Amino acid sequence: EAQVTQNPRYLITVTGKKLTVTCSQNMNHEYMSWYRQDPGLGLRQIYYSMNVEVTDKGDVPEGYKVSRKEKRNFPLILESPSPNQTSLYFCASRGGAAGELFFGEGSRLTVL
Amino acid sequence: DQQVKQNSPSLSVQEGRISILNCDYTNSMFDYFLWYKKYPAEGPTFLISISSIKDKNEDGRFTVFLNKSAKHLSLHIVPSQPGDSAVYFCAALSGGYNKLIFGAGTRLAVHP
Repeated sequence: EAQVTQNPRYLITVTGKKLTVTCSQNMNHEYMSWYRQDPGLGLRQIYYSMNVEVTDKGDVPEGYKVSRKEKRNFPLILESPSPNQTSLYFCASRGGAAGELFFGEGSRLTVL
Repeated sequence: DQQVKQNSPSLSVQEGRISILNCDYTNSMFDYFLWYKKYPAEGPTFLISISSIKDKNEDGRFTVFLNKSAKHLSLHIVPSQPGDSAVYFCAALSGGYNKLIFGAGTRLAVHP
């Protein structure tokens, strides 16, 4: 089954404790991206990657890092999480006839 | 400043009637528009798209209309069904297809 898999789905952590949200896709897509969803703001792009070892900032990259060492994986790293990073995070890869994004199920992160 | 705006946070429609979800944008350089549907605890799923060179695209019960002069697009669902109850996001492609910019979403409730 074609899918984008994120882990963990739910996480509560404390300020300053480094964490990584993993993302993996099995569709051989070159393009992958991370979004955060906040009430009233929709989904905002954090980082994207056009291919292995090629990453670029989206609209809200501050406080986040990414890496793309393999085509299928695109982890999101929060080196020192802060409460304003409490959000619902989505990983996505791009394919399809319309170039549409396929999203993972989301990772709800709470930073205390 | 939001480039893609969905000014109605919610919409309630009776089963069998038409649902019309609206979206406005500010950037005339957007060349592709997409609608996504999102159920609770799931990632957004692609619904329908339209190129800026067209003014209408239809797929079953879903039709998207694009009015470039007004920088406005709308999604029509006819007839509406209870299973259509979800949050609908309008999105626009820019930056050489690297960025998908989302609106804040409209929550549709279809009641019997």
